[in-house]
Amino acid sequence: KAGVTQTPRYLIKTRGQQVTLSCSPISGHRSVSWYQQTPGQGLQFLFEYFSETQRNKGNFPGRFSGRQFSNSRSEMNVSTLELGDSALYLCASSLEVSQLTDTQYFGPGTRLTVL
Amino acid sequence: AQSVTQLGSHVSVSEGALVLLRCNYSSSVPPYLFWYVQYPNQGLQLLLKYTTGATLVKGINGFEAEFKKSETSFHLTKPSAHMSDAAEYFCAVMGYSSASKIIFGSGTRLSIRP
Repeated sequence: KAGVTQTPRYLIKTRGQQVTLSCSPISGHRSVSWYQQTPGQGLQFLFEYFSETQRNKGNFPGRFSGRQFSNSRSEMNVSTLELGDSALYLCASSLEVSQLTDTQYFGPGTRLTVL
Repeated sequence: AQSVTQLGSHVSVSEGALVLLRCNYSSSVPPYLFWYVQYPNQGLQLLLKYTTGATLVKGINGFEAEFKKSETSFHLTKPSAHMSDAAEYFCAVMGYSSASKIIFGSGTRLSIRP
């Protein structure tokens, strides 16, 4: 069974632009979560989607948004990019909605660099 | 509010030696606790998690962790380090509520000396 895939793997943008990252979960998984990893702030939870509905959201500004499609694939969008948005963005999928009861499987991440 | 502290940003041990990575948490209620590993240029992989029940949790790759409520700790151990264990390790905490968000520690980089 294929793992979680994220595209693109690397991305370079300039300040003020917007970016869309894509995540394809493991087949059959219905929950997708997104995380931001930076050297300064570490790993932070962005949001979680289940059956096309956002179930949980971290403490990020409204410039960060996401959505999930009927096939469970998910996208996250960052508008008006800032230098501080440079990070590794990780996507994780699980069968069900709860991180507590269900193991999350992570993709390799998309490394976003904002110049 | 919940938080997690990992003591030591970098730990170095010899191959075959005991691995001990420290994690302390702060939570007003008994939390769920996790250890994740991240290899270079890869995503995270769940090593083990504590939800309820037995306080000694066994995970993959020979790792285990013990939940000690009195010490608010969840230290990760492995009896004998292997070169392949070199990676970054993250402790994480989460509450019981469905609205609870997972909170990660700052990570500990484990190096293995030949």
